[in-house]
Amino acid sequence: EPEVTQTPSHQVTQMGQEVILRCVPISNHLYFYWYRQILGQKVEFLVSFYNNEISEKSEIFDDQFSVERPDGSNFTLKIRSTKLEDSAMYFCASRATSGRAGDEQFFGPGTRLTVL
Amino acid sequence: GENVEQHPSTLSVQEGDSAVIKCTYSDSASNYFPWYKQELGKGPQLIIDIRSNVGEKKDQRIAVTLNKTAKHFSLHITETQPEDSAVYFCAARSSGDKLTFGTGTRLAVRP
Repeated sequence: EPEVTQTPSHQVTQMGQEVILRCVPISNHLYFYWYRQILGQKVEFLVSFYNNEISEKSEIFDDQFSVERPDGSNFTLKIRSTKLEDSAMYFCASRATSGRAGDEQFFGPGTRLTVL
Repeated sequence: GENVEQHPSTLSVQEGDSAVIKCTYSDSASNYFPWYKQELGKGPQLIIDIRSNVGEKKDQRIAVTLNKTAKHFSLHITETQPEDSAVYFCAARSSGDKLTFGTGTRLAVRP
């Protein structure tokens, strides 16, 4: 069964450093998302991406964050200058298409980001 | 924006008993309500979903009910098994495409 994959599974970085989290969505999917989950809390939406541009973003997704689909398979989240409060599990998700059959967002296993 | 409340935060049941988790949402424009199961160290996995034009949906031991008037929806798991132990999240999709998640319910099924 096709699945969303994410690398790395765990990233440790120093405050102020840049990190890039990588995702490979399911191959025929057109809509891509990043969510994050601070330890013990709920999953929070960061950004959605369609047709090579951001569709929607939350207040969390400030100028320090950016997303990119550099080729036909990868979808990346970059944090330019990490802060301690960026420590969280980051989930990538993808969705097939619009309409009823494409409702489900498929989530990857996540990247645990630890900022020291 | 949308706000989703979820109760209870923890739930412990005996194997074979039923478990019910309840969520309320605030945005009457929300039209899609998925339930996700999250096991330790893994990403959320969809277990069942319901659209706003349906009142109830069932898939084997799992069912979801939706009351649009009251803006609440519930997950029902019957004949619980130890492998049902996990954190369950409800979510709602309103305008746009994002999912707004509830705060999660940690379900423990005692053998």
